[in-house]
Amino acid sequence: EPEVTQTPSHQVTQMGQEVILRCVPISNHLYFYWYRQILGQKVEFLVSFYNNEISEKSEIFDDQFSVERPDGSNFTLKIRSTKLEDSAMYFCASNSGRTEAFFGQGTRLTVV
Amino acid sequence: DQQVKQNSPSLSVQEGRISILNCDYTNSMFDYFLWYKKYPAEGPTFLISISSIKDKNEDGRFTVFLNKSAKHLSLHIVPSQPGDSAVYFCAASEIDTDKLIFGTGTRLQVFP
Repeated sequence: EPEVTQTPSHQVTQMGQEVILRCVPISNHLYFYWYRQILGQKVEFLVSFYNNEISEKSEIFDDQFSVERPDGSNFTLKIRSTKLEDSAMYFCASNSGRTEAFFGQGTRLTVV
Repeated sequence: DQQVKQNSPSLSVQEGRISILNCDYTNSMFDYFLWYKKYPAEGPTFLISISSIKDKNEDGRFTVFLNKSAKHLSLHIVPSQPGDSAVYFCAASEIDTDKLIFGTGTRLQVFP
């Protein structure tokens, strides 16, 4: 069964450093997303990406965040200068449009 | 701004009985609703969805009911099994958007 894969599963970084979280969406999907879940809180939408551009973003997704689809398979989330409050589980998701989104297993980001 | 609310943080049900998980929403622009199940350290797994043009959708042991006038939906699991023990998230999206707004989740525990 096709699945969304994310790497790494856990990333520890120092405050102020840049991190790149990687995702391989399901191959025939056209819409890609990043969500995050701070410990004990709900899953929150960050950004959606379609046709090589951002289609929607939340107020969380400020200038420190960027997304890219560098090739035909990968979808990345970059945080330029991490803050302590960026510590969370980051989930990548994909779908074919207005259908259920399939989520990856997540990357736990710990900023120290 | 809690557009999607799950007022019960936890629910405990005996194996074989019915589990009923509830979700309320405030945004009348929501037209697509989903239920996800989540185990610790994993991404959300899609369970079942319903469009606002329907009031019921069934898939095996899982049934989702939508009451648009009350802005309420519920997930019924019959019969409940110990493997159903997880956190269940209700999610919704507005017309013409793909982003999902999640509730805070309900932890279901099914005991023998």
